Amino acid sequence: DAGVIQSPRHEVTEMGQEVTLRCKPISGHNSLFWYRQTMMRGLELLIYFNNNVPIDDSGMPEDRFSAKMPNASFSTLKIQPSEPRDSAVYFCASSLGDKKWPQHFGDGTRLSIL
Amino acid sequence: EDKVVQSPLSLVVHEGDTVTLNCSYEVTNFRSLLWYKQEKKAPTFLFMLTSSGIEKKSGRLSSILDKKELFSILNITATQTGDSAVYLCAVADNNNDMRFGAGTRLTVKP
Repeated sequence: DAGVIQSPRHEVTEMGQEVTLRCKPISGHNSLFWYRQTMMRGLELLIYFNNNVPIDDSGMPEDRFSAKMPNASFSTLKIQPSEPRDSAVYFCASSLGDKKWPQHFGDGTRLSIL
Repeated sequence: EDKVVQSPLSLVVHEGDTVTLNCSYEVTNFRSLLWYKQEKKAPTFLFMLTSSGIEKKSGRLSSILDKKELFSILNITATQTGDSAVYLCAVADNNNDMRFGAGTRLTVKP
């Protein structure tokens, strides 16, 4: 079975540019999560969707970040405009049912903002 | 404030050694504790513990939860270089929220 699929795997761009990260959850999973991981702050939950509806976006750092889930098989995380401090690995995860666990993670997108 | 604290932050051992990783927590309305292994890419799920005193085992890995003392340990026996990874502990509460610890970086040398 295919796991959570994220793209791109790596993204290097200049500050001020728009960045879009993509995620395809495991088929049949109805909860989707976006995380950011840095050495300083570890793994942080940014936003959580259930049945395509954003349930908790309290972890989204600021208005430059936005996430959408137009259907059950696709989600995007957008940063506009990007800043160097946004450099991190961004993970998407999905889980089955209403519980948030256990979550199955994608391989992540390593984002570098120059 | 809820928190999940893992120790040690990093650990270097030799193949064949046994290691114990610790996770302590202070979480309101505790529901479950989960262990993940993160190698170069995504965290992969290892165990979920809900009840005290019941050991979960998977090959050389085992874990146990103490809900009275608010901690869990992850044991790895006869370590191999492939066990090198960051081990993450996460705690889920009854509000459906999950909080991760900072992780323990384990390095197993040949």
